[in-house]
Amino acid sequence: AQSVTQLDSQVPVFEEAPVELRCNYSSSVSVYLFWYVQYPNQGLQLLLKYLSGSTLVKGINGFEAEFNKSQTSFHLRKPSVHISDTAEYFCAVSEIGNAGNMLTFGGGTRLMVKP
Amino acid sequence: EAQVTQNPRYLITVTGKKLTVTCSQNMNHEYMSWYRQDPGLGLRQIYYSMNVEVTDKGDVPEGYKVSRKEKRNFPLILESPSPNQTSLYFCASRGGGQNTGELFFGEGSRLTVL
Repeated sequence: AQSVTQLDSQVPVFEEAPVELRCNYSSSVSVYLFWYVQYPNQGLQLLLKYLSGSTLVKGINGFEAEFNKSQTSFHLRKPSVHISDTAEYFCAVSEIGNAGNMLTFGGGTRLMVKP
Repeated sequence: EAQVTQNPRYLITVTGKKLTVTCSQNMNHEYMSWYRQDPGLGLRQIYYSMNVEVTDKGDVPEGYKVSRKEKRNFPLILESPSPNQTSLYFCASRGGGQNTGELFFGEGSRLTVL
């Protein structure tokens, strides 16, 4: 069975500062990795995903994430955040070949950007 | 506009009173799924459907039922709601046969069971 741990439940940061949201996963097989963002009172939207190839993945809104297989991590980063980035961010994994029980989500990290 | 539509968005009900949360998608997606979101637990899958008349349990199916009679609709049924089913519910869909694609989410249905 797979599991996802997001190490920080809340991350406060000042506008224009860099940010890293941490994600570690556990699985006995190879996985696909995703980051979703949830703005207040909305559903989740895909930020980026890692399927294969380059371990550095770029997504929307200037976010990027790096897959580290040896550390089983998929941390999300942005070099300079904006107020509009305030949202909850979810890391998710799915086991390759398992089309049914598609995604296992972490507990979420609330990013709070202050002016 | 491509979207997943859930209704109702907000509902307060009492223990034992049957309710249905509807979900409809207009993207001709084969795969649909229901999740519940609780603080600190992220999203947990309740049920999913790979296609019409094909449904299966997710991680937390107890107390819920689903049906998939048409491709576009995937209602979530609570036959006898209990307070521990108070939660935020999301329906999602995805096209294709592989689990590499993006899930499209509805805006959520906030359910309170008194």
